[in-house]
Amino acid sequence: DTGVSQNPRHKITKRGQNVTFRCDPISEHNRLYWYRQTLGQGPEFLTYFQNEAQLEKSRLLSDRFSAERPKGSFSTLEIQRTEQGDSAMYLCASSSWGVTDEQYFGPGTRLTVT
Amino acid sequence: KNEVEQSPQNLTAQEGEFITINCSYSVGISALHWLQQHPGGGIVSLFMLSSGKKKHGRLIATINIQEKHSSLHITASHPRDSAVYICAAGGQGAQKLVFGQGTRLTINP
Repeated sequence: DTGVSQNPRHKITKRGQNVTFRCDPISEHNRLYWYRQTLGQGPEFLTYFQNEAQLEKSRLLSDRFSAERPKGSFSTLEIQRTEQGDSAMYLCASSSWGVTDEQYFGPGTRLTVT
Repeated sequence: KNEVEQSPQNLTAQEGEFITINCSYSVGISALHWLQQHPGGGIVSLFMLSSGKKKHGRLIATINIQEKHSSLHITASHPRDSAVYICAAGGQGAQKLVFGQGTRLTINP
């Protein structure tokens, strides 16, 4: 396993469309995190999973956002009815909680809403 | 006031200079992370520390738990060190990270 992967790397969509991103964590990692980073800012926490359970959601995650990790492996983040303010880099990270807790980041998905 | 503050926000230096980036945090943490982000967005974890000091090559990270302060030092800086350096506080339990706004470092040859 070479690390955390995310797809797509770039997504351009029109306002009002739905988009879905995928994150494949390092295979033995039980925790998976989603973060969002807008231009010139540090990332902000969105949500995290331990195995398939979604344990915490930030207030940044409006009703238009939903995340799943159905089998405790890959995760998807869906944004419905996209808005221009959703334009950002969406970062995924995984960790082996209880072992090292160090988070390994994927390359991110850059979303542009026009 | 942000829970994690970094300084400076931008730093330009000449090749070979000793670099220091500071991070102060107001939240309780179980670990403090230093991350490097290159243009294009990929983030690489440099250090995770909860006490004392860690060294990897030309990079050194220190933390003072009582003062809630951490520093990242780069010795003999090189243009390839140019990147955004981010500190992030990992809380108890969830370990979700609270990030600083980043320090953009530019090393000129």
